[in-house]
Amino acid sequence: QVQLQQSGPGLVKPSQTLSLTCVISGDSVSSNTAAWNWIRRSPSRGLEWLGRTYYRSKWFNNYAVSMKSRITINPDTSKNQFSLQLNSVTPEDTAMYYCARDPAAGGPFDYWGQGTLVTVSS
Amino acid sequence: SYELTQPPSVSVSPGQTASITCSGDKLGDKYAYWYQQKPGQSPILVIYQDNKRPSGIPERFSGSNSGNTATLTISGTQAMDEADYSCQAWDGSTAVFGGGTKLTVL
Repeated sequence: QVQLQQSGPGLVKPSQTLSLTCVISGDSVSSNTAAWNWIRRSPSRGLEWLGRTYYRSKWFNNYAVSMKSRITINPDTSKNQFSLQLNSVTPEDTAMYYCARDPAAGGPFDYWGQGTLVTVSS
Repeated sequence: SYELTQPPSVSVSPGQTASITCSGDKLGDKYAYWYQQKPGQSPILVIYQDNKRPSGIPERFSGSNSGNTATLTISGTQAMDEADYSCQAWDGSTAVFGGGTKLTVL
């Protein structure tokens, strides 16, 4: 059974960097089939895919066009986890953030983290 | 960029059939996925590859996808099915979600 456990601060000041971590159990961040994603939900935008990282003999990343200049998703193989960094946040980045597994890099999101409510406020 | 459009809300009486649509350009050429989310919970996958149900999802949930529209159908809707439902598809290497539909069972 795959489990994803998120951690990170719930309050970030405007213009600063949002950082979240997702620890994986029951699978590997280095899996040759799965991909590891960050998704957020806000009342105004519904679910919004932010990006993913996956390993296919080397590491790949894909990011939502709307995030591309501000986002970094990194794997950490030593801790079997992956992280999200979102720079220059504004109040519009206030949302519930989720990590999620896609078992086939182009399939469904079948396992989700518990969610982290991040508020951007001074 | 690719967009998926859902109605903001759908209402259904208990025991009746609820249909939630998701529209996108040539969506039928892609796989559609559906997620259920209740307040305070993480989303749950209820339909994958247009019409397949993951283990543990009741048979009353079904899906179809053709042309420009994917449809999630809930037969014999129960009060516990009241939730937000979101469709999702892949546009190349980018995942796209619909705006979500709030299903009210009344």
